[in-house]
Amino acid sequence: ETGVTQSPTHLIKTRGQQVTLRCSSQSGHNTVSWYQQALGQGPQFIFQYYREEENGRGNFPPRFSGLQFPNYSSELNVNALELDDSALYLCASSPTGGRLDTQYFGPGTRLTVL
Amino acid sequence: SQKIEQNSEALNIQEGKTATLTCNYTNYSPAYLQWYRQDPGRGPVFLLLIRENEKEKRKERLKVTFDTTLKQSLFHITASQPADSATYLCALANQAGTALIFGKGTTLSVSS
Repeated sequence: ETGVTQSPTHLIKTRGQQVTLRCSSQSGHNTVSWYQQALGQGPQFIFQYYREEENGRGNFPPRFSGLQFPNYSSELNVNALELDDSALYLCASSPTGGRLDTQYFGPGTRLTVL
Repeated sequence: SQKIEQNSEALNIQEGKTATLTCNYTNYSPAYLQWYRQDPGRGPVFLLLIRENEKEKRKERLKVTFDTTLKQSLFHITASQPADSATYLCALANQAGTALIFGKGTTLSVSS
């Protein structure tokens, strides 16, 4: 059974650019959530997707958007990058139909904004 | 505003002792609370989930308690080992289970 995978592993962008991060959920998991983790902080919930729709959102501006595909994989898009967007972006999947019970996290994508 | 606090950033204990980590929250009525372990440079790993109507949950050397009156959860690791050294995160779910708030984490160091 393949776990949650994320790509790319690392990414460097400049302020104002746009970025797309990708996540493949664990087999059979229908819910995907995204988190931003700054250094020394806990993960901050961005949003979750279930049935290809956003099903819950944290306190992040609209320039953070996402997609979920029929195979349950997901993308996180961030527009107009700011320096404070530099962080580890984590994706997690769960089999619990839109509820964030047991979650299985990927290794993350390290984004650096210069 | 909703707030979740893990009472210490770092905890150092000796091998064989019991580690106790605390998670307090305010302005929140979570449906359940979860504990995760995170090693440096890696994603969190799920450990335990305890629901609002449960007082205690156990899994091997791990025990979690949940007191909704005190708005507090305690996480215990008994007979701690150096391999237990990591950052431990607590997370609260809203009533619908559709959003999570994580604490900053407590970094546990177990020395032999």
